[in-house]
Amino acid sequence: GAVVSQHPSRVICKSGTSVKIECRSLDFQATTMFWYRQFPKQSLMLMATSNEGSKATYEQGVEKDKFLINHASLTLSTLTVTSAHPEDSSFYICSAIRQDEQYFGPGTRLTVT
Amino acid sequence: AQSVTQLGSHVSVSEGALVLLRCNYSSSVPPYLFWYVQYPNQGLQLLLKYTSAATLVKGINGFEAEFKKSETSFHLTKPSAHMSDAAEYFCAVTLNTDKLIFGTGTRLQVFP
Repeated sequence: GAVVSQHPSRVICKSGTSVKIECRSLDFQATTMFWYRQFPKQSLMLMATSNEGSKATYEQGVEKDKFLINHASLTLSTLTVTSAHPEDSSFYICSAIRQDEQYFGPGTRLTVT
Repeated sequence: AQSVTQLGSHVSVSEGALVLLRCNYSSSVPPYLFWYVQYPNQGLQLLLKYTSAATLVKGINGFEAEFKKSETSFHLTKPSAHMSDAAEYFCAVTLNTDKLIFGTGTRLQVFP
């Protein structure tokens, strides 16, 4: 099946710094990727849709200037959390579409201290 | 707008017992419905999906779900629970292949 990877799997950063999370489709090209956020013991909430070669589409309530998304190639989308704060600590999961099905990455645990 | 409701945030069963995880959906048009499983600190794995073909959908690991339009339900079942089934299960709905709307999840515990 299709494989989606994320890097890093875990990251700890200090408040006020920025952190970049990568999402890669390893064996297929994905023009569309999604970024989700999952708080402890809660469901996944879609943050944004990442489109290769164009601007990301953000869901209502998600700050586009804080969560920068870049989809520069057909196999890579990045999410940068800028000026991170402790409330940004969460589990971030990406997914990529292949043949009408979403394949999810393993997630990145972000902890902001 | 579409939505899903998962009744029961926690379900506990004994090993070998029937697993039933409930999901009800709301959609103005026939939706696509999904069940995903998530193990701790991992992403989601697709168990099965309904895309308007057969109403009884068989998935991986012995799971199946039945689409019942009259009840707006898509409950997940497995005849005999295994210890390895312990995980978080999410029901999701979409009108296309894009924006998945997830339920709040059900944590399944399996006791020996």
